[in-house]
Amino acid sequence: DAKTTQPTSMDCAEGRAANLPCNHSTISGNEYVYWYRQIHSQGPQYIIHGLKNNETNEMASLIITEDRKSSTLILPHATLRDTAVYYCIVSGGSQGNLIFGKGTKLSVKP
Amino acid sequence: SQTIHQWPATLVQPVGSPLSLECTVEGTSNPNLYWYRQAAGRGLQLLFYSVGIGQISSEVPQNLSASRPQDRQFILSSKKLLLSDSGFYLCASRDSYEQYFGPGTRLTVT
Repeated sequence: DAKTTQPTSMDCAEGRAANLPCNHSTISGNEYVYWYRQIHSQGPQYIIHGLKNNETNEMASLIITEDRKSSTLILPHATLRDTAVYYCIVSGGSQGNLIFGKGTKLSVKP
Repeated sequence: SQTIHQWPATLVQPVGSPLSLECTVEGTSNPNLYWYRQAAGRGLQLLFYSVGIGQISSEVPQNLSASRPQDRQFILSSKKLLLSDSGFYLCASRDSYEQYFGPGTRLTVT
């Protein structure tokens, strides 16, 4: 079973920041938080991952709470092409398997 | 970065027929390899993973099997397909923290 809880769906206006929450209250000390997204009928795409510090790359920012029980993926300026299902996953580092839950369906609207 | 090749892209097979889906990986060596299935409107279900040639772990009991005859080749098979085997099959490779996915095969069992 997935170890994360995400809202089923969210809407975001084009050009605005999209903030996608994820709860992972049972995360253990050596588990990372990963975010992937899947555009319809394509394979999932890696976005970002983190352990306990906030992370940023060219796609997004990942904010992890101090107790590590929740995190937020931030797409700073959402575009229509960001419409996808976003998956939050916790996994034990480079050897852990990724168990996908149902994710959040993000709809970016003009 | 890695490139994952899967074929065929789409497949329609009758119930009871055999199945062979192939996945090859470029740009890495000795990766962990994965087969996932995604039923319509559902999340990704991990079916098999492999940490090396000839090493296969099954996550769910089913009429599917997997083999890894070469380091960068992963094959998903069935002797007799069921209607419930319909879905979107994804091959993935992982050699560090990022998991790369192939384009997928959409299988319809009729």
